[in-house]
Amino acid sequence: NAGVTQTPKFRVLKTGQSMTLLCAQDMNHEYMYWYRQDPGMGLRLIHYSVGEGTTAKGEVPDGYNVSRLKKQNFLLGLESAAPSQTSVYFCASRRTGNTGELFFGEGSRLTVL
Amino acid sequence: DAKTTQPTSMDCAEGRAANLPCNHSTISGNEYVYWYRQIHSQGPQYIIHGLKNNETNEMASLIITEDRKSSTLILPHATLRDTAVYYCIVRVAYTGNQFYFGTGTSLTVIP
Repeated sequence: NAGVTQTPKFRVLKTGQSMTLLCAQDMNHEYMYWYRQDPGMGLRLIHYSVGEGTTAKGEVPDGYNVSRLKKQNFLLGLESAAPSQTSVYFCASRRTGNTGELFFGEGSRLTVL
Repeated sequence: DAKTTQPTSMDCAEGRAANLPCNHSTISGNEYVYWYRQIHSQGPQYIIHGLKNNETNEMASLIITEDRKSSTLILPHATLRDTAVYYCIVRVAYTGNQFYFGTGTSLTVIP
């Protein structure tokens, strides 16, 4: 059981380039989340999804887009990367219900030069 | 969702109990208290959650005050592997889909 898998784990981009981070979960979870974590900071919610075909904004959505075309996948896109988006990105998922805990991936470290 | 306040850092001697406080004075009646921890740069890990009653599992105990305005996470016998950042989160029951982590408490377990 792989749980939550993020790809790629490391990426270096130049300012203005675009890229997509993929999050895949094999637990049949309804809810999926994308967070970013900057050095010495806590996690900040970027976007989340409560089901296939639905997405919603979190605390810091600007500069990112997301899609949930399949239940098991949640994609995070950067259309025009900026140095301020240098961060570690974490994906998480959870089942429906009041007590569903979050399961996190290992993180994707992105550097924008 | 209610905001939480945690100390920035704490130390604990190995083998002793670690007591991590969290203030959530604006918590509503339908908001749960969750605790997660993040070891080094790994993804956060769920520890425990509760609504009103004290809770215990194999990892920790959660003590919630009667007025629910604060809680304490207790690691009964801290080990070096418990060194991590601990996050206290409150979330609305059933409809609260967003988990806001804040900056947490950095716990260092000292040999």
